[in-house]
Amino acid sequence: EAEVAQSPRYKITEKSQAVAFWCDPISGHATLYWYRQILGQGPELLVQFQDESVVDDSQLPKDRFSAERLKGVDSTLKIQPAELGDSAMYLCASSLGGGADTQYFGPGTRLTVL
Amino acid sequence: AQSVTQLDSHVSVSEGTPVLLRCNYSSSYSPSLFWYVQHPNKGLQLLLKYTSAATLVKGINGFEAEFKKSETSFHLTKPSAHMSDAAEYFCVVSTYSSASKIIFGSGTRLSIRP
Repeated sequence: EAEVAQSPRYKITEKSQAVAFWCDPISGHATLYWYRQILGQGPELLVQFQDESVVDDSQLPKDRFSAERLKGVDSTLKIQPAELGDSAMYLCASSLGGGADTQYFGPGTRLTVL
Repeated sequence: AQSVTQLDSHVSVSEGTPVLLRCNYSSSYSPSLFWYVQHPNKGLQLLLKYTSAATLVKGINGFEAEFKKSETSFHLTKPSAHMSDAAEYFCVVSTYSSASKIIFGSGTRLSIRP
């Protein structure tokens, strides 16, 4: 069964450093999502791509976060510089289309900022 | 604007008894509604979804949910709880208008007593 791949699974960094997360969606899925899940809370959508275009990045802190999906396949989420409050699980999901299509989630990257 | 409220942060039931997890939503457009489950150290998995077809939706593992527009609710139920149902459950609202919006609830932790 096809799965969404994410790496790394765990990342520990010091504040003010740069970090990057990678996501490879299920083949053929046009829509890709990045979420942040703080411990004890529900996931919060950071950015949504349709192919290589950003559909929604209204909750992405653009002063320090950036995301790209250059060829409309895999995607990278970057934080520079990292802050203590960025410690969270970062989830990637993909779906065939948007809206009501089922999202398939990867295992996530657990980020700890010291 | 849209929002989703999960009315209980923690629900505890005995094995073999019914489960009810409550979700209310608010949406300016016709919403799609989902329930996802997150087991410890595992990725989010879709339980069921409502997309303006039948108001009673059946999902995996014996779960079902009923869309009630008049009450703006989408409660999740299961007739008989099993120990393996212990997990975190998230209600999700999505609209596919000019700007696709996806919002997760804060989650309900379901515990099962032997």
